[in-house]
Amino acid sequence: KAGVTQTPRYLIKTRGQQVTLSCSPISGHRSVSWYQQTPGQGLQFLFEYFSETQRNKGNFPGRFSGRQFSNSRSEMNVSTLELGDSALYLCASSPGLVQPDTQYFGPGTRLTVL
Amino acid sequence: AQTVTQSQPEMSVQEAETVTLSCTYDTSENNYYLFWYKQPPSRQMILVIRQEAYKQQNATENRFSVNFQKAAKSFSLKISDSQLGDTAMYFCAFHGPNNNDMRFGAGTRLTVKP
Repeated sequence: KAGVTQTPRYLIKTRGQQVTLSCSPISGHRSVSWYQQTPGQGLQFLFEYFSETQRNKGNFPGRFSGRQFSNSRSEMNVSTLELGDSALYLCASSPGLVQPDTQYFGPGTRLTVL
Repeated sequence: AQTVTQSQPEMSVQEAETVTLSCTYDTSENNYYLFWYKQPPSRQMILVIRQEAYKQQNATENRFSVNFQKAAKSFSLKISDSQLGDTAMYFCAFHGPNNNDMRFGAGTRLTVKP
């Protein structure tokens, strides 16, 4: 099976702009989780989608939002970008039917906010 | 809340030798999974090994094995016959039965020296 894919791999934006990141899970996986990785804060959970519904949410401001489509692909949107949003954004997929579960990660999208 | 602690920010090992990375966690749950993920400089987060808490036998995957001490809430990773390709950040992670997100430690940067 193909792994988790993320597009784009790199993004450069300026403060105040918005950005949309995309994640395609492993075929058959219905859960997609998003994480922000920074040198200072490490890996932090943003949110998780399962069957087009947000099932869990981390402690991030409302500028961070997401959605999931019927084919399980997920997008994450960040509005009104701030310098502190510069990070590696990782998505991970899992079957999602039971907890706990094993998540498989994509290569990440490196977002730089200038 | 579940927390994961990796007390070794950096470690190094000579090629072909054995190294052990430490991880402790805090939880009141009885059913959970523990993971070690590897993130090489190329950034892709790769699953190294998984341990189900209900299993007493320590998980092994080729050169990688864990020492799971449930009562002590300790989960260390042993890498035998270290190879240059093992150079990476290693993250210990916890996934419980009622939370849909994974909690990660801060990571240990492992360098394998020739």
